[in-house]
Amino acid sequence: DSGVTQTPKHLITATGQRVTLRCSPRSGDLSVYWYQQSLDQGLQFLIQYYNGEERAKGNILERFSAQQFPDLHSELNLSSLELGDSALYFCASSVDPRGAQRPGRANYGYTFGSGTRLTVV
Amino acid sequence: SQQGEEDPQALSIQEGENATMNCSYKTSINNLQWYRQNSGRGLVHLILIRSNEREKHSGRLRVTLDTSKKSSSLLITASRAADTASYFCATNRSPGNQFYFGTGTSLTVIP
Repeated sequence: DSGVTQTPKHLITATGQRVTLRCSPRSGDLSVYWYQQSLDQGLQFLIQYYNGEERAKGNILERFSAQQFPDLHSELNLSSLELGDSALYFCASSVDPRGAQRPGRANYGYTFGSGTRLTVV
Repeated sequence: SQQGEEDPQALSIQEGENATMNCSYKTSINNLQWYRQNSGRGLVHLILIRSNEREKHSGRLRVTLDTSKKSSSLLITASRAADTASYFCATNRSPGNQFYFGTGTSLTVIP
């Protein structure tokens, strides 16, 4: 268990629908990142939040949105789903925007969740 | 990919042999990390090397970084069947801390 929790693990839905993916970061981590992994596009950075504020945007479609709540969990909302949105969606967290090691922390960089596999049919 | 490429795309070796994977990237970076992913699972952080470092070791892993060539290599020594996975490099550049991943190398270690 990495400490980053993603739910649900699997999701099957129809085209045109809307889904919400949830991520709880590792305790103490303020930054949350969302990535999409598909066979043809590889791992694509979607969006980053830090302490509730949007920090950076990557290749996130307008049909997708995200937010980070006061308790630091984050949700990724995917709407008007298309077949091509089928992918693994990963959430990662880090201590701060620079991912710098803090005293007492064992890890550098990101800690990834186990992902949500979304299948759009 | 958003940032770089790994080479080779796939690598198959015998247990006990060394595995070398290369990563090239496009822009100036703050640091570079290597991750491992077992099929359909999350990514696991292996090692980070900062832009002012040239080599780093962690157990059976050795990472080099050549910022002039914008490239890095990951060497796994004395490979084991359990090392079978995909390996990704990820680069971090300012601003923010978002990492951009390469396309990955699929490593198969044959027992």
